[in-house]
Amino acid sequence: DGGITQSPKYLFRKEGQNVTLSCEQNLNHDAMYWYRQDPGQGLRLIYYSQIVNDFQKGDIAEGYSVSREKKESFPLTVTSAQKNPTAFYLCASSIFTLSNTGELFFGEGSRLTVL
Amino acid sequence: ELKVEQNPLFLSMQEGKNYTIYCNYSTTSDRLYWYRQDPGKSLESLFVLLSNGAVKQEGRLMASLDTKARLSTLHITAAVHDLSATYFCAVAHPFMEYGNKLVFGAGTILRVKS
Repeated sequence: DGGITQSPKYLFRKEGQNVTLSCEQNLNHDAMYWYRQDPGQGLRLIYYSQIVNDFQKGDIAEGYSVSREKKESFPLTVTSAQKNPTAFYLCASSIFTLSNTGELFFGEGSRLTVL
Repeated sequence: ELKVEQNPLFLSMQEGKNYTIYCNYSTTSDRLYWYRQDPGKSLESLFVLLSNGAVKQEGRLMASLDTKARLSTLHITAAVHDLSATYFCAVAHPFMEYGNKLVFGAGTILRVKS
C-alpha cells in the first residue's frame, strides 16, 4: 500500500540531545513537508522540500535541520538548540504541479517528549 | 503574510442539530483544504476547494469557498456522535514557487452530545 511512514511513533529525549525523526513515502510525490503541532493548536510549518537536494525553511525552522538526499525520504533532526521541542511532529507529502490539487497527505506522526 | 482564522474554536452540539464552522483568511488564495483529526491521530483529508464558488459534500458535511470574501464554511447537518473530532482548514500560499505551502487555522474542536 502507498503511504507515508513516520518513525518512531513515540520518542523521549534528554535535554541537550539531538534526535532524528524519520519520514519515508512511497507515493512518488515530489514535495515533502514537516509540521509541528502543539496541544490545542494548529500545525506550523518547519521545513519543506520540493525536489531532491533542495529544501526551504518554514515558519519555525530554528533549532531544526533536514536533508533530502532521496525522493522518498525527508528526515528531520531536532537539535539541542530547539528550546521547547516537546510536540507532535507530522510529515506530509504532495504532488507538486500546477495542474494538481496540491493536497497534502500526512503520516501518522511522531510524538517527541523531552524529559 | 497569510493568516488563517477559524471560529468557533470549540463547538459543543446536540445530536441532530446543524451548525457551521467558519474559516477566514487574510490574503488572496484559490486553494483551501479541510482536514479532520481524531485525538492522538494524524490528519485526514476531507475536502479540497480549488475555485471561487466551489462546493463539496460528503455525508453530513458540506464545504464551500468564497474567494472574494476570503471565507470558507464547513456546514454540519444533523450531527452524529461520530463527527466528534478537531477540524482544520488550511489555505495554500498564493505563489507556487513556495510549493504547496499550507497555513493552518487553529482548529475547531467539535463535540457532539447525545
